[in-house]
Amino acid sequence: QKEVEQDPGPLSVPEGAIVSLNCTYSNSAFQYFMWYRQYSRKGPELLMYTYSSGNKEDGRFTAQVDKSSKYISLFIRDSQPSDSATYLCAMSAGSGNTGKLIFGQGTTLQVKP
Amino acid sequence: DVKVTQSSRYLVKRTGEKVFLECVQDMDHENMFWYRQDPGLGLRLIYFSYDVKMKEKGDIPEGYSVSREKKERFSLILESASTNQTSMYLCASTLTTSNTQYFGPGTRLLVL
Repeated sequence: QKEVEQDPGPLSVPEGAIVSLNCTYSNSAFQYFMWYRQYSRKGPELLMYTYSSGNKEDGRFTAQVDKSSKYISLFIRDSQPSDSATYLCAMSAGSGNTGKLIFGQGTTLQVKP
Repeated sequence: DVKVTQSSRYLVKRTGEKVFLECVQDMDHENMFWYRQDPGLGLRLIYFSYDVKMKEKGDIPEGYSVSREKKERFSLILESASTNQTSMYLCASTLTTSNTQYFGPGTRLLVL
């Protein structure tokens, strides 16, 4: 079993839809949770960063962490065609030198106009 | 803004060639990483470095080596390229006090 599981999709939604992207994990030591967005033929860029459990909101994006269920989510409200990309979850048990990131496989999202 | 650059966007090499991929970051980050990204397999860590002249094996180091002679530069070396090393190669960097990794644009390597 992989440490981090993420449905690769692809996920196709109409413009304006609410999108829910999810990852599950098995290592209860993970405390730092990130979402990266990767456009086609580009490197990943950090989208959201969360420490421990709870919610974090940034514009149309909300990151949610449920440590009891070992489950994290990224919600995108009012999705736009420019949100079409691959979304990677990443997590770590520690920061800095102990904080090697474990990545999910990535979910490919297409938002149709 | 953090900038991580990679020497080439696209490379085509022959089987058996020695291949050098270079990565440079301009934010004085201590930690640097090399990943490869393949469809269905996600990002896999090849090597990482916490300091100059220091290296640690990642999950898939076989067939690769690295060099870090200067803090800002981390090189990935394919000693004898093989077709199964055709992939997207991504470099990343971060501060020692952080686990937020910043990625370069990637190098698409095709080994014929």
